[in-house]
Amino acid sequence: QVQLQESGPGLVKPSETLSLTCTVSGGSISNYYWSWIRQPPGKGLDWIGYIYYSGSTNYNPSLKSRVTISVDTSKNQLSLKLSSVTAADTAVYYCARVRRGTGAFDYWGQGTLVTVSS
Amino acid sequence: DIQMTQSPSTLSSSVGDRVTITCRAGQSISSWLAWYQLKPGKAPKLLIYKASSLESGVPSRFSGSGSGTEFTLTISSLQPDDSATYYCQQYNSYPRTFGQGTKVEIK
Repeated sequence: QVQLQESGPGLVKPSETLSLTCTVSGGSISNYYWSWIRQPPGKGLDWIGYIYYSGSTNYNPSLKSRVTISVDTSKNQLSLKLSSVTAADTAVYYCARVRRGTGAFDYWGQGTLVTVSS
Repeated sequence: DIQMTQSPSTLSSSVGDRVTITCRAGQSISSWLAWYQLKPGKAPKLLIYKASSLESGVPSRFSGSGSGTEFTLTISSLQPDDSATYYCQQYNSYPRTFGQGTKVEIK
């Protein structure tokens, strides 16, 4: 059974960089697309971007100037960096796997809450 | 961006009721639509993909239909465990977008 687990600081100061890691277990990161998605408190889901295991990426234009998603196949991990954060970036951050041949997210992590505050 | 609009925002029904959630896309997305179930503190769960394909392990009381711009998620007989928020998501084009969610409550 594939499992995803997000990890990283729960508190980030304004203007700093948010950094999260997603560790994949029970399956290989290879040959799949992986995504980051977030949910601000009391709001809906926002897609942040994709990475293929080979390293190619596709970002939401609304965040593109501030986002970097990377992958480490040797560690079976993907990472998210979001720079110049503000309170509007406070959210639960999820990593998810993309079902092959579709754009649906078939496995998700439980999510990690990141609060942006001084 | 393709806007996804769900209705209702909240619904309250009794155990055993048939429940329907609607999702409308701002432009045609063919059948490239998924439905998810979210519960606090738990990993989101894929229910339906390609508008009507039931994900493995999902109870058969869940079903999806529609194509183009109008889609529905139906729970044929509502169960206590179905108390959750449900989201539709289009994957016809980038950026991927979600509906605003429908919270299902059990009376």
